[in-house]
Amino acid sequence: GQSLEQPSEVTAVEGAIVQINCTYQTSGFYGLSWYQQHDGGAPTFLSYNALDGLEETGRFSSFLSRSDSYGYLLLQELQMKDSASYFCAVYYYNQGGKLIFGQGTELSVKP
Amino acid sequence: DTGVSQDPRHKITKRGQNVTFRCDPISEHNRLYWYRQTLGQGPEFLTYFQNEAQLEKSRLLSDRFSAERPKGSFSTLEIQRTEQGDSAMYLCASSAGRSEGNEKLFFGSGTQLSVL
Repeated sequence: GQSLEQPSEVTAVEGAIVQINCTYQTSGFYGLSWYQQHDGGAPTFLSYNALDGLEETGRFSSFLSRSDSYGYLLLQELQMKDSASYFCAVYYYNQGGKLIFGQGTELSVKP
Repeated sequence: DTGVSQDPRHKITKRGQNVTFRCDPISEHNRLYWYRQTLGQGPEFLTYFQNEAQLEKSRLLSDRFSAERPKGSFSTLEIQRTEQGDSAMYLCASSAGRSEGNEKLFFGSGTQLSVL
């Protein structure tokens, strides 16, 4: 089966750095994506890792280790507006090509 | 605004009634997905279309649920004989397909269904 695990909630202060981990169990896996969802809003795409290593996009970076079935999203210089839920998602090519989401991590940024 | 629109934004219905939701994807996107999301959970896959063809339907989806995408553009999701357990946010997403293994989904704001 396929499952993703991520912490249910994380709290950090403005200006800090926070790492949200995601572990997955799968076979037939293309890559790891991250989505952000503000309260009451739609999920929006943040990043994608197909290969091992770090992908950087501004204050956000995402990392993948295929050998460890593990990835993380790194948020730097946290701002209040980063308070949201963050979902890791994996794309399975042996599942007809659909994106499966984790349960989400609720990030609260405090002043 | 991602360009994916869903209608209605909210729907309140009584148990046993039928409901239908509509999704208008980004016009050039050939893939369309339906997900369901409950509070504190991630989006749960329901079904998806490649153009007008429904390619996969979740095993979790009972036969009370049906989706169509008749001309490969907009899609409808119908729930017959609604149950209280159907109460959730129903999200539609579209994409232009996979590129180098990545498929970027654009989500609509969803239809919040409440079954009383």
